[in-house]
Amino acid sequence: KAGVTQTPRYLIKTRGQQVTLSCSPISGHRSVSWYQQTPGQGLQFLFEYFSETQRNKGNFPGRFSGRQFSNSRSEMNVSTLELGDSALYLCASSLAPQGWGQETQYFGPGTRLLVL
Amino acid sequence: SQKIEQNSEALNIQEGKTATLTCNYTNYSPAYLQWYRQDPGRGPVFLLLIRENEKEKRKERLKVTFDTTLKQSLFHITASQPADSATYLCALAGAGSYQLTFGKGTKLSVIP
Repeated sequence: KAGVTQTPRYLIKTRGQQVTLSCSPISGHRSVSWYQQTPGQGLQFLFEYFSETQRNKGNFPGRFSGRQFSNSRSEMNVSTLELGDSALYLCASSLAPQGWGQETQYFGPGTRLLVL
Repeated sequence: SQKIEQNSEALNIQEGKTATLTCNYTNYSPAYLQWYRQDPGRGPVFLLLIRENEKEKRKERLKVTFDTTLKQSLFHITASQPADSATYLCALAGAGSYQLTFGKGTKLSVIP
């Protein structure tokens, strides 16, 4: 079974631009979560989607948004990029949402975003 | 405020010894706690989950304990090997929201 895939793997943008990252979960997984990882803050939760609905959202500004499609694929968007948005963005999929008894998450390799 | 702390940023141990990593938390009512391994340039890999009503979980050379009185989880790797060298992350899911909050990780180096 193929793992979680994320595209693109690397991205360079300039301040003020916007970016869209894509995540394809493991086949059969319906829950997708997004995380931001930086050396200073570590791994921080962005949002969780299940059945095209956002179930949970972390403490990030409204510039960070996401969505999930009917095939469980997910995208996240960051508008008006800032230098501090440079990070590794990780997507994780699971059979069901956190708290439903099947919490094992499988992470993708991440998208490394550099904002200049 | 809620906080998760992994006490050591880095831990060096000799091959064959038991590595013990610590995860402490404050101001949480935990539902469960997870441990992950992360290698450089890769996403984290799930290792073990322990629920708030469980004291201990084992998987091969790995053991996790969870003490909700001390607000602490210990992660043990017995008979450690150089291949165990990686960063280990703990993540706590709070009761109710189940939103995962990660510690900043402990970088384990197993020296041959």
